[in-house]
Amino acid sequence: SAVISQKPSRDICQRGTSLTIQCQVDSQVTMMFWYRQQPGQSLTLIATANQGSEATYESGFVIDKFPISRPNLTFSTLTVSNMSPEDSSIYLCSVEGQGSYGYTFGSGTRLTVV
Amino acid sequence: DQQVKQNSPSLSVQEGRISILNCDYTNSMFDYFLWYKKYPAEGPTFLISISSIKDKNEDGRFTVFLNKSAKHLSLHIVPSQPGDSAVYFCAASYSRDKYIFGTGTRLKVLA
Repeated sequence: SAVISQKPSRDICQRGTSLTIQCQVDSQVTMMFWYRQQPGQSLTLIATANQGSEATYESGFVIDKFPISRPNLTFSTLTVSNMSPEDSSIYLCSVEGQGSYGYTFGSGTRLTVV
Repeated sequence: DQQVKQNSPSLSVQEGRISILNCDYTNSMFDYFLWYKKYPAEGPTFLISISSIKDKNEDGRFTVFLNKSAKHLSLHIVPSQPGDSAVYFCAASYSRDKYIFGTGTRLKVLA
């Protein structure tokens, strides 16, 4: 399965600022997915990023708050904009697994907004 | 509206005994289910899956059971080992490109 490098692994940010999370995959993939896990909550899909097209956002998530780039088939970024303490979460990128293996996830970015 | 529910946030089991983690879902259209394991500071890793045409899938110490009429699946770990201590997520899909995750159950296997 694909190997995903995600960074930063954690950050503490001031409210009102923005943070860009990077995700690098060791193989070319069509779709990359960005998830959020708020404390005590399930993993929630933010958006699907396809190379060469606009990301598709899930209900409750908007491009102005979570802009995504997908410049090529191995890389994507997610920006958390104008952060507030409610954005404190773990953010994970993922790609489709092979066969019956669902998704492969990066190690996540633990974001704390103060 | 939580379509996939893991009602037990935590579970403690003695080493060598069976661990049973439960998951309930509400959408009868779900036809594919997965279990993931997550260690601290790591992303979730795939553990085992089952499609709706089966009621059981086994992989070594891990077995997943699916009861479609009850909209319930469970993960059995036998025998449980301290290295199994982690958070376990179930996930469900009806299109295999979007998965709905439960909130997770933290398993602690006591030596």
